[in-house]
Amino acid sequence: GENVEQHPSTLSVQEGDSAVIKCTYSDSASNYFPWYKQELGKRPQLIIDIRSNVGEKKDQRIAVTLNKTAKHFSLHITETQPEDSAVYFCAAPYLSGGYNKLIFGAGTRLAVHP
Amino acid sequence: DGGITQSPKYLFRKEGQNVTLSCEQNLNHDAMYWYRQDPGQGLRLIYYSQIVNDFQKGDIAEGYSVSREKKESFPLTVTSAQKNPTAFYLCASRDRGYNQPQHFGDGTRLSIL
Repeated sequence: GENVEQHPSTLSVQEGDSAVIKCTYSDSASNYFPWYKQELGKRPQLIIDIRSNVGEKKDQRIAVTLNKTAKHFSLHITETQPEDSAVYFCAAPYLSGGYNKLIFGAGTRLAVHP
Repeated sequence: DGGITQSPKYLFRKEGQNVTLSCEQNLNHDAMYWYRQDPGQGLRLIYYSQIVNDFQKGDIAEGYSVSREKKESFPLTVTSAQKNPTAFYLCASRDRGYNQPQHFGDGTRLSIL
């Protein structure tokens, strides 16, 4: 079935600390995993994505790791800053009957305290 | 993303009224999606379309209708049958293929008068 579980639902860190958000997916055929950041009242914006031919991808303070055997992937934010405060969503593709769509996790509300 | 335009930004609906939310994209994407987001909640899929003149129900299609007469347009109608329409509605589009990112419009905030 189609399911993406995301943990934790809320995360509070001090400025400069690291934050890690984890997601687990169910469709073993999934091979593309994006992460979105949504600030209050705004649209979700793609911040990083990873395809299954790599195990890790970095973009400055953000990194994503993928473990296809265990069917989970994680977002890592280092040296957090107050502007990192937002809701983060993971997603995985799901293919059924010739139609494909992204299944989103429930979101993680990250608060970075100065 | 600049290529997806949703209008209006704010919309008010009266009891028993149907309202239509517009979504236009100039990214030449094949697939388009509508999501509903309630305060503090995640994204719930209403309808999606992978090609012109074809669309599929998502997880919460009841009380909503869509059309896909043109590749660039995917309007959503919130009908009077949707008794609790107050929410933030997001349109998204995606290029053909299993491994393509999805891009969102700026959203429409719908409220009941």
